[in-house]
Amino acid sequence: NAGVTQTPKFQVLKTGQSMTLQCAQDMNHNSMYWYRQDPGMGLRLIYYSASEGTTDKGEVPNGYNVSRLNKREFSLRLESAAPSQTSVYFCASPVWGLADNEQFFGPGTRLTVL
Amino acid sequence: RKEVEQDPGPFNVPEGATVAFNCTYSNSASQSFFWYRQDCRKEPKLLMSVYSSGNEDGRFTAQLNRASQYISLLIRDSKLSDSATYLCVVINQAGTALIFGKGTTLSVSS
Repeated sequence: NAGVTQTPKFQVLKTGQSMTLQCAQDMNHNSMYWYRQDPGMGLRLIYYSASEGTTDKGEVPNGYNVSRLNKREFSLRLESAAPSQTSVYFCASPVWGLADNEQFFGPGTRLTVL
Repeated sequence: RKEVEQDPGPFNVPEGATVAFNCTYSNSASQSFFWYRQDCRKEPKLLMSVYSSGNEDGRFTAQLNRASQYISLLIRDSKLSDSATYLCVVINQAGTALIFGKGTTLSVSS
């Protein structure tokens, strides 16, 4: 049981290049999330998917697109990378319940845009 | 006003010290509160949920004051291994996502 996995772990892009960050969870959760974390800014929600087939914008969606491919997988795409998108990206999947609320995170993708 | 605000620190304390972190939240309708821990260059992990009556887990005590919209985390008998960033977290108004504070950094030294 791997929990939440992300690929790649590290990536360097040039301005204008595109790439897709992959995320998968094996916990059979309905919801999945993408966050970015920058120094001094904390974790900020980019997009989330409450269930298979649905996606919604979070706090900082500009410059990103997402795809909920199936219940397990939720990808984040940068169509034209910009230096401002240099960040650490975390995928997460929560357990929501009356007695148990926890967000499980993947190990993160460290992205640098030159 | 930010939805969740924390003192960023850093808090530098010796082993064995007691240290307290505070957090305020802006949405009075918030129902669920948490403390997460994040080690350097790692993902955040749940430390403990915060209940209205307050709760304790070993050396860690969390308190909630709804009237003041204030959450606290107390760490007693600090260990070197407690060095990390502690994130105050609140569920958003729609109940669909977690809102994270920027984190408070703790460094425990021998």
